[in-house]
Amino acid sequence: EAQVTQNPRYLITVTGKKLTVTCSQNMNHEYMSWYRQDPGLGLRQIYYSMNVEVTDKGDVPEGYKVSRKEKRNFPLILESPSPNQTSLYFCATGAALRTEAFFGQGTRLTVV
Amino acid sequence: LAKTTQPISMDSYEGQEVNITCSHNNIATNDYITWYQQFPSQGPRFIIQGYKTKVTNEVASLFIPADRKSSTLSLPRVSLSDTAVYYCLVGDTINNAGNMLTFGGGTRLMVKP
Repeated sequence: EAQVTQNPRYLITVTGKKLTVTCSQNMNHEYMSWYRQDPGLGLRQIYYSMNVEVTDKGDVPEGYKVSRKEKRNFPLILESPSPNQTSLYFCATGAALRTEAFFGQGTRLTVV
Repeated sequence: LAKTTQPISMDSYEGQEVNITCSHNNIATNDYITWYQQFPSQGPRFIIQGYKTKVTNEVASLFIPADRKSSTLSLPRVSLSDTAVYYCLVGDTINNAGNMLTFGGGTRLMVKP
């Protein structure tokens, strides 16, 4: 079964404590991306990757890091989380030369 | 990337047909039109995609006029479970050109009994 798996689904953490949200896909997709969704602001892209070792900034990359060491994984790293990074995060994947994307179940992050 | 404009919200009743129109005046020759559906606290889900004329699948139909400057998502006989936010996206296929998936505000559809 085609899947995009995010972990954890829910996380409450404190300001400044480094955290990683993982994203894994089993569809051999080249494209992977992270979004955050906030009330009234819709879905905003944080980072995306077109292939292994290739990453690019999206619209709101400040405060985030990503890596793409393997095709199937695209972790989102918050080195020093702050309360304004409290949000619902989604990982998405897609195949090259296609247009539809597949989204994970979401990770609800609260930074206190 | 072509910008899209959709109504912020729409109301309907069970059993009715719902048409959501998206405006994309600056659509490029290589751009496809894709619609996603999102339920609260879930990731968006692909519904339908088209390039021109009409596309139909088991969930919806997509109507695209000849000038491609707009498109209409048609949901036949909606039910309460169709209450969701619907996003219209316009863009080229995923390739090394970069950011291919930019979501606008979407249309919040409320289906009433």
